Amino acid sequence: GDQVEQSPSALSLHEGTDSALRCNFTTTMRSVQWFRQNSRGSLISLFYLASGTKENGRLKSAFDSKERRYSTLHIRDAQLEDSGTYFCAARTGGNNKLTFGQGTVLSVIP
Amino acid sequence: NAGVIQTPRHKVTGKGQEATLWCEPISGHSAVFWYRQTIVQGLEFLTYFRNQAPIDDSGMPKERFSAQMPNQSHSTLKIQSTQPQDSAVYLCASSLEGAETLYFGSGTRLTVL
Repeated sequence: GDQVEQSPSALSLHEGTDSALRCNFTTTMRSVQWFRQNSRGSLISLFYLASGTKENGRLKSAFDSKERRYSTLHIRDAQLEDSGTYFCAARTGGNNKLTFGQGTVLSVIP
Repeated sequence: NAGVIQTPRHKVTGKGQEATLWCEPISGHSAVFWYRQTIVQGLEFLTYFRNQAPIDDSGMPKERFSAQMPNQSHSTLKIQSTQPQDSAVYLCASSLEGAETLYFGSGTRLTVL
């Protein structure tokens, strides 16, 4: 079936540093959505992209518009409150359901 | 806007009992999705409705699981004869007609003893 491969599975960042998370898709995807799951289990939508890039504060996401086979989430100047599990999820062309990656557990340390 | 509301937050059942989980989508949203999250399997799609009609239930276990959307303001996921392997966090999400951004509720943590 369609697969979403997310990397890394876990990441530790010092406050103030930058990093990037990546999702590779085994097939061409129509759109991608990035989420952060907080300690209470709530999935918070960060970005939805059908193409191109979006930016919100210290977060920026990109979806490869040509091949549509990967997406990235960049975190700039990491803060303690960025800690959590980040998921990407994507849709194929003929399907409205989101297929999720396995998540990246991000720990921001002082 | 209260977001997607799921009740109860936690439910504990004994093996063989029935569990009903409730979801109230964001007002005005026409699509409702159910997902299940476990440590081993991650987030798995179960089923979805559009304008109350079932569209895709390809992720639903064939036995014991059923979902309904009797009106635009709520959906239910019912698990009959619950088994320990049904223990998971069940998440509901909704989206606007024509939009693809999904908004999730906080989930119901089901524990089957």
